[in-house]
Amino acid sequence: EAQVTQNPRYLITVTGKKLTVTCSQNMNHEYMSWYRQDPGLGLRQIYYSMNVEVTDKGDVPEGYKVSRKEKRNFPLILESPSPNQTSLYFCASSSGAGVTYEQYFGPGTRLTVT
Amino acid sequence: AQKVTQAQTEISVVEKEDVTLDCVYETRDTTYYLFWYKQPPSGELVFLIRRNSFDEQNEISGRYSWNFQKSTSSFNFTITASQVVDSAVYFCALSEAGFSRGDDKIIFGKGTRLHILP
Repeated sequence: EAQVTQNPRYLITVTGKKLTVTCSQNMNHEYMSWYRQDPGLGLRQIYYSMNVEVTDKGDVPEGYKVSRKEKRNFPLILESPSPNQTSLYFCASSSGAGVTYEQYFGPGTRLTVT
Repeated sequence: AQKVTQAQTEISVVEKEDVTLDCVYETRDTTYYLFWYKQPPSGELVFLIRRNSFDEQNEISGRYSWNFQKSTSSFNFTITASQVVDSAVYFCALSEAGFSRGDDKIIFGKGTRLHILP
């Protein structure tokens, strides 16, 4: 089954404790992206990757890191999480040349930073 | 800079009524793409439609239809004969075809929460 998976689905952590949210897709998509969803703010793009070893900032990259060492994986790293990073995070991949095609989203990761 | 405005934060209609969700966008590019995504109460994000800037034909898919008007920079979404299962948050999004210049971002509107009342 074609899908985007994220782990963990739920995470409660404390300020400053490094964490990684994994994202994997099995569709051989080149484009992958991370978003955060906050009430009243919609979806905002954090980082995206157009291919292996190619990543770039979205609109809200501060406090996040990503890497793309393999085509299927695109982990999101929070080196020192803070409470303002409490949010619902979505990973997505795109079937075509970049984000001008439809995106397939993972199920979301709800992160709480205390 | 690109921008997407969904002015309707929340809408409630009674089942079987028609409802239109508004989406207004701003872009300086001549080539761009518009999308609608649905987020039902279960939380997943589901692709509904993609439209490029050169194709102003309206699209109909069952009870769903989309009206793209470049003259007013709008890409509105209409649900005909709404059903309770249409209750969801709907997001409009804009992507400028920037991959040729190495830039491939997408901007989402803040979403419209639609309640279909039985």
